[in-house]
Amino acid sequence: NAGVTQTPKFQVLKTGQSMTLQCAQDMNHNSMYWYRQDPGMGLRLIYYSASEGTTDKGEVPDGYNVSRLKKQNFLLGLESAAPSQTSVYFCASSYSWLAVQYFGPGTRLTVT
Amino acid sequence: TQLLEQSPQFLSIQEGENLTVYCNSSSVFSSLQWYRQEPGEGPVLLVTVVTGGEVKKLKRLTFQFGDARKDSSLHITAAQPGDTGLYLCAGYNFNKFYFGSGTKLNVKP
Repeated sequence: NAGVTQTPKFQVLKTGQSMTLQCAQDMNHNSMYWYRQDPGMGLRLIYYSASEGTTDKGEVPDGYNVSRLKKQNFLLGLESAAPSQTSVYFCASSYSWLAVQYFGPGTRLTVT
Repeated sequence: TQLLEQSPQFLSIQEGENLTVYCNSSSVFSSLQWYRQEPGEGPVLLVTVVTGGEVKKLKRLTFQFGDARKDSSLHITAAQPGDTGLYLCAGYNFNKFYFGSGTKLNVKP
């Protein structure tokens, strides 16, 4: 079992560029999450998906979009990257009724 | 927003000392998790507590969930350098997890 995988591991973007962060899980989990983690702060929820085909906003959704077309994949898009989006992005999945999350290794994004 | 505050933010102790980390909120949570995160990696679940007043022990780590399910504590006995890391608490409600800002623990040999 690979668990939760994220690609890419590192990315550098210029202001205004767009990109998609990819997340995949092989545990047949219903729920998936995207977080960002900034220095000195915990994880802040960007978007989450309770099931395939559904998505909801979290605490900091502005400037991002998501899609969950397949149960095992959750994509995070940056429409027009800004320096404020420089962060480490974590994807997680869970059996919602167990309330246990499994995290990917993270994507370190720098926007210049 | 269901805010979780952790204290202390930083803790640097000698190997063998005991310590307690706190996680407090004004919100009630249906469950609360503790995670440990090492540099360059994602958080890893340590424990989930569900019932108010619940105490769980994991070797040298003791976790407690407050009676009102608004707060929690993590106590480490005889800390070791391998305990070094960022400790995060997370409350769970309505399919969402709310994270505290974390306690950065450094255990010196």
